[in-house]
Amino acid sequence: DAGVTQSPTHLIKTRGQQVTLRCSPKSGHDTVSWYQQALGQGPQFIFQYYEEEERQRGNFPDRFSGHQFPNYSSELNVNALLLGDSALYLCASSSNTGELFFGEGSRLTVL
Amino acid sequence: QKEVEQDPGPLSVPEGAIVSLNCTYSNSAFQYFMWYRQYSRKGPELLMYTYSSGNKEDGRFTAQVDKSSKYISLFIRDSQPSDSATYLCAMTLLEGNNRKLIWGLGTSLAVNP
Repeated sequence: DAGVTQSPTHLIKTRGQQVTLRCSPKSGHDTVSWYQQALGQGPQFIFQYYEEEERQRGNFPDRFSGHQFPNYSSELNVNALLLGDSALYLCASSSNTGELFFGEGSRLTVL
Repeated sequence: QKEVEQDPGPLSVPEGAIVSLNCTYSNSAFQYFMWYRQYSRKGPELLMYTYSSGNKEDGRFTAQVDKSSKYISLFIRDSQPSDSATYLCAMTLLEGNNRKLIWGLGTSLAVNP
């Protein structure tokens, strides 16, 4: 079982650019959640996808959007990047038991 | 008052010590309680998952939930330098058909050889 996999692991962008992060959930999981984690902080919930639809959303602007595919994998897109978007972006998958399993994260640096 | 309170530490202990990590919460509707371990620049790793008051043991780790007092604890026995990490508590509650997950800020633990 490969667990939750994310790509890329690291990337550097400049202000105003757009970024797409990808996530494959743990085998048997149908729900994918995305989190943003700044250094020294707990994860902040961005949104959750289930059955290819956004089911919940945290307090993030519309610049943050996502998608879930029929195979349950997911993408997180961030447009018009700001310096403050620099963070570790975590993908977590879960089944109906509610246990969240995280990937290793994608570390985004915005210059 | 935050929904979940967790002392950020840092906590420094000698190797072999028993470590006690704690979170308190204010919302009695929380149903599921989790502890995650996060190494620097890595994703959180689920350590323990509980939903009822009492103790749950897994190897050197014991999770304790006291719903009447609204606190949860994670005990680490015979702590090792490899246990040095940030430990995050998280808890979920149902809002309609959705689960809402609330995190503590994490406690930084250093186990010194």
